[in-house]
Amino acid sequence: QKEVEQDPGPLSVPEGAIVSLNCTYSNSAFQYFMWYRQYSRKGPELLMYTYSSGNKEDGRFTAQVDKSSKYISLFIRDSQPSDSATYLCAMTKPGGGAQKLVFGQGTRLTINP
Amino acid sequence: NAGVTQTPKFQVLKTGQSMTLQCAQDMNHEYMSWYRQDPGMGLRLIHYSVGAGITDQGEVPNGYNVSRSTTEDFPLRLLSAAPSQTSVYFCASSYSVLAGATDTQYFGPGTRLTVL
Repeated sequence: QKEVEQDPGPLSVPEGAIVSLNCTYSNSAFQYFMWYRQYSRKGPELLMYTYSSGNKEDGRFTAQVDKSSKYISLFIRDSQPSDSATYLCAMTKPGGGAQKLVFGQGTRLTINP
Repeated sequence: NAGVTQTPKFQVLKTGQSMTLQCAQDMNHEYMSWYRQDPGMGLRLIHYSVGAGITDQGEVPNGYNVSRSTTEDFPLRLLSAAPSQTSVYFCASSYSVLAGATDTQYFGPGTRLTVL
């Protein structure tokens, strides 16, 4: 069983919709939770990270962590075609460290104009 | 700044051949790493380095070697290519691994490798 599970999609929604992307995890010791965005044929780029349970907002993006349920989400409001990309969640094991990052499989998102 | 650069962008190898994937960064970052990305598997860490002269294994190191003779460069060597090494390879760097996972990792554009 993978430590981090992410629905690979693909997910296709109309422009302006609210998008919800999710990951579940099995290791309760994970400390930091991140979301990366990866455009086609590019490297991933860090969107947001959180540490504690709760919400963190950055513009149209909200990251949510529920440690009791071992569940994290990324919400995108007022989605734009430029948001079309693969979104990867990632988490760190204790004591890490970029070298302790565990990635989900990624969800491919398409926003249709 | 060019950021993280990788060469080549594409490569086709025959089974048993060896090659080196190049990675360079011009941000004076201490930490550099190599990942492979496969469908359904996400990104998996191959090797990493916390500074010049210091390297260590990640999750999937078998069949790969690395060295870090300078801060800027972190090449990945495939010793004897196998079809199972067909993948997209990403190099990444960050200022310091001591900063923890919140230290932003900058990824290169990737090398698409096919082993026949």
